[in-house]
Amino acid sequence: ETGVTQTPRHLVMGMTNKKSLKCEQHLGHNAMYWYKQSAKKPLELMFVYNFKEQTENNSVPSRFSPECPNSSHLFLHLHTLQPEDSALYLCASSLRQGREQYFGPGTRLTVT
Amino acid sequence: GENVEQHPSTLSVQEGDSAVIKCTYSDSASNYFPWYKQELGKRPQLIIDIRSNVGEKKDQRIAVTLNKTAKHFSLHITETQPEDSAVYFCASGGGADGLTFGKGTHLIIQP
Repeated sequence: ETGVTQTPRHLVMGMTNKKSLKCEQHLGHNAMYWYKQSAKKPLELMFVYNFKEQTENNSVPSRFSPECPNSSHLFLHLHTLQPEDSALYLCASSLRQGREQYFGPGTRLTVT
Repeated sequence: GENVEQHPSTLSVQEGDSAVIKCTYSDSASNYFPWYKQELGKRPQLIIDIRSNVGEKKDQRIAVTLNKTAKHFSLHITETQPEDSAVYFCASGGGADGLTFGKGTHLIIQP
């Protein structure tokens, strides 16, 4: 499946590092999303972008910083993370908000 | 905000039997209810969805029912097969928001 791609697929970082996750969609969609999936919690919506504008921030700590330069690309910049931030980070896109979402394969993040 | 409850957390059924997973939601403005299947190590995949203007939708062995008055919706899988084993998530959403997901149901198909 190549509709929504994410890089890297795996990332290990220390608490003082700065890294970025990348998401790209080739579906012509206008809305993109970041979700966090950890073992003990359901899929948690983090950020929503609609036509490159951030429309939702679900009380996410400032150590997570999203960026959406265009409707096809979405980034999640990470800095001074905590071990409890270790999780699978999933990107998704939809034609517009409220429509069916398609997920990328995720980035497995481990914070040491 | 929206709250989605999903039950059961684990469901084990014999191959060939039916499986039912139930979800409730809290926001009466929600109008879109998708179901996702996530196999181990893979991304969630949309398998069926329903909008608030219909009460039932079917796609081969999978069906979803919606009761807007009671704010609950269910996934029905008939004639279960080994490849149906996965984690299933329900979700609820409105026009301007992302989706709120349930905690997931681990469906195990016993041969």
